[in-house]
Amino acid sequence: TAGITQAPTSQILAAGRSMTLRCTQDMRHNAMYWYRQDLGLGLRLIHYSNTAGTTGKGEVPDGYSVSRANTDDFPLTLASAVPSQTSVYFCASSMTGGNGNQPQHFGDGTRLSIL
Amino acid sequence: GQNIDQPTEMTATEGAIVQINCTYQTSGFNGLFWYQQHAGEAPTFLSYNVLDGLEEKGRFSSFLSRSKGYSYLLLKELQMKDSASYLCAAMDSNYQLIWGAGTKLIIKP
Repeated sequence: TAGITQAPTSQILAAGRSMTLRCTQDMRHNAMYWYRQDLGLGLRLIHYSNTAGTTGKGEVPDGYSVSRANTDDFPLTLASAVPSQTSVYFCASSMTGGNGNQPQHFGDGTRLSIL
Repeated sequence: GQNIDQPTEMTATEGAIVQINCTYQTSGFNGLFWYQQHAGEAPTFLSYNVLDGLEEKGRFSSFLSRSKGYSYLLLKELQMKDSASYLCAAMDSNYQLIWGAGTKLIIKP
């Protein structure tokens, strides 16, 4: 079972360049999430989507955008990367969002370095 | 503001018992999650508590006191493979998870 697939696994990117992190799930989950994880800090929510066609801002949305054209895919785009966006990015999904308490399932992460 | 506190690091001996504490302050509360994260890997779900009391699941148990804003994860019969970070996360009134920084558990033979 694939679960959640993230690509690329890792990337080095020059500051000012744009980048899209891909996330695909095959569990037919309604809700999807993007987090960043930095040393010494908890996971921080960037954007989320409770269902296809809707998105919302999390705790740290600035510099990032998302789209949810269908149930399976939830790409995260950095329009103009800055060094402070160096982090490990995790995509997650859950059966429901916004009115449920289902556990979130995580992809393996994308390690992004902005130079 | 919203906040989750848990110890940064703990050390325990193989075969022993360890308790990892977590205190939380959130705007509203819709449950407390524990996740395990091995180094370089994704977090994986361990437990969920929304009512006061103890939930047991094999070697792992999780406790919640809503009045005290407190939870703990209890790991029994520790094995070397339990060396990992343990993440506490509370769900707020908007059903968003507020995450602690994680407790790195080191198991010694």
